[in-house]
Amino acid sequence: EAQVTQNPRYLITVTGKKLTVTCSQNMNHEYMSWYRQDPGLGLRQIYYSMNVEVTDKGDVPEGYKVSRKEKRNFPLILESPSPNQTSLYFCASSYRATEKLFFGSGTQLSVL
Amino acid sequence: AQTVTQSQPEMSVQEAETVTLSCTYDTSENNYYLFWYKQPPSRQMILVIRQEAYKQQNATENRFSVNFQKAAKSFSLKISDSQLGDTAMYFCAFGDYKLSFGAGTTVTVRA
Repeated sequence: EAQVTQNPRYLITVTGKKLTVTCSQNMNHEYMSWYRQDPGLGLRQIYYSMNVEVTDKGDVPEGYKVSRKEKRNFPLILESPSPNQTSLYFCASSYRATEKLFFGSGTQLSVL
Repeated sequence: AQTVTQSQPEMSVQEAETVTLSCTYDTSENNYYLFWYKQPPSRQMILVIRQEAYKQQNATENRFSVNFQKAAKSFSLKISDSQLGDTAMYFCAFGDYKLSFGAGTTVTVRA
């Protein structure tokens, strides 16, 4: 089944404890991206990647890191999480950025 | 910076009726793409419709259609013959590699 798999679905952590949210797609997509969703703000793009080893900042990259070492995986890393990073996170992929995005199921992150 | 404005936080519609969601955006680019995504209570994001900015013809997808006015930077979504399964939050988005989303409009379809 074609899908974008995000893990974990729920995560509660404490300030400063490094964490990684994994994202993997099995559709051979070139483009992958990360978003955070907050009430009243919609989705905001954190980082995107046009291909392996090519990543660029979205609108809200501060406090996040990404890597694209292989085509299928695009993990989101929070080196030192803070409470303002409490949010619902989505990973997405597509053949090209201008095509339909396939979204993961989301990760609800709470930073205490 | 790219901005997207959805001016209607919530809308309610009777089953089988029509509802129109507004979306305006601001960009200095000439070539871009526009999307409407739906997020039902399951929180899964689903593409509703896609429009290429260089195409004059408005996109349609079954009961969903858009009114794209490039000069006015407006991209509204019309849902015809509303169904209970259309109850969801709807997000307008545009861009290319960098994608900007609006804050969303919650649509409730009443039986």
